[in-house]
Amino acid sequence: GAVVSQHPSRVICKSGTSVKIECRSLDFQATTMFWYRQFPKQSLMLMATSNEGSKATYEQGVEKDKFLINHASLTLSTLTVTSAHPEDSSFYICSADLLGSDTQYFGPGTRLTVL
Amino acid sequence: LAKTTQPISMDSYEGQEVNITCSHNNIATNDYITWYQQFPSQGPRFIIQGYKTKVTNEVASLFIPADRKSSTLSLPRVSLSDTAVYYCLVGDDNDYKLSFGAGTTVTVRA
Repeated sequence: GAVVSQHPSRVICKSGTSVKIECRSLDFQATTMFWYRQFPKQSLMLMATSNEGSKATYEQGVEKDKFLINHASLTLSTLTVTSAHPEDSSFYICSADLLGSDTQYFGPGTRLTVL
Repeated sequence: LAKTTQPISMDSYEGQEVNITCSHNNIATNDYITWYQQFPSQGPRFIIQGYKTKVTNEVASLFIPADRKSSTLSLPRVSLSDTAVYYCLVGDDNDYKLSFGAGTTVTVRA
């Protein structure tokens, strides 16, 4: 139980294009999901908290107009990197909060490479 | 969010027990302690969670002293596949956000 999936697992795109990453909780409902970014040899950095049916909450320094988050259902949150640039190349990881367990379960991550 | 401090790295050999201690001096009354394991290019994997005393599952044990200002993750009889980064985090159900520190890179050698 408590499985979280992400799609795609890796994506390569040209500079200036937009990329959408999906995060799904497969066997549980998640009113809250989180998006992290991880650069090589570094720890995870929380980007935003995604709440079902409401606007996402972004961490300081994260541009909300660049990283669009939508959490339209209890099992799906999407992160769209708009007008991607090479510096946006990173490993993006989502997690979902399992209600009643005080535990977050993480997806496998999405490797984004912007050329 | 309570700040945590862990050793940057630890080396071990196959079959040995690995103990990673995490300090969280400012842990709040409602905070739980959670450990995650991360392999390169993968998302963190939940290992174990506890509030006090000792918790054991099929993968690891978590020891938490009475003052809860530290915790120790114990990995029994490690194998090469346990080479990974291990993160200690504290937080409560009302504060959903997790703050990842640098973690401990555990290297298991043959």
